[in-house]
Amino acid sequence: GAGVSQSPSNKVTEKGKDVELRCDPISGHTALYWYRQSLGQGLEFLIYFQGNSAPDKSGLPSDRFSAERTGGSVSTLTIQRTQQEDSAVYLCASSSGRYLVDTIYFGEGSWLTVV
Amino acid sequence: AQSVTQLGSHVSVSEGALVLLRCNYSSSVPPYLFWYVQYPNQGLQLLLKYTSAATLVKGINGFEAEFKKSETSFHLTKPSAHMSDAAEYFCAVRENNFNKFYFGSGTKLNVKP
Repeated sequence: GAGVSQSPSNKVTEKGKDVELRCDPISGHTALYWYRQSLGQGLEFLIYFQGNSAPDKSGLPSDRFSAERTGGSVSTLTIQRTQQEDSAVYLCASSSGRYLVDTIYFGEGSWLTVV
Repeated sequence: AQSVTQLGSHVSVSEGALVLLRCNYSSSVPPYLFWYVQYPNQGLQLLLKYTSAATLVKGINGFEAEFKKSETSFHLTKPSAHMSDAAEYFCAVRENNFNKFYFGSGTKLNVKP
């Protein structure tokens, strides 16, 4: 696609429910990142994919968070048993994965509100 | 470990005045450095990046940044602020691996008429 696409753009869920957030990176980009941006906070790194593998999962805040990527393209971030503190904007980004200097392109984010 | 510090969570300038947003990094090797801008309710957009080709980097919308190794800084400047520059600005660094792209905590720029 022309840009990084994320869905849903907005999600309101009840505490304790599971949610899935989807990211469709730029076509051909092998590197994919998930970040979390809480109100008034900076960007918190969650996970990085190179192709389908995730060499770095160190940013996932708890075992309720998981992510997968299939076919080297679309990625899904799953939050189980959501808590109010999970409310944030979840940003997905991608880059070519070939050069360190390559630009990382961001989607517009998925706004998650847990009530 | 890499870290990025942005001094000043909020900066306010008058329209037409100089914009200076500060970014300092800690790294044992010269990193790759980036500035992103986030307009309200939008994703992050690249302003400019340092790739070691030149220490003074020009970006979009009249912004530029200078890499100073001795000061481990990459401050963002614009000679004359415009109302449309009001946004949040993030400095980011990457070392010699793809794994992480470290962001500063962001600086919100307010431009007064």
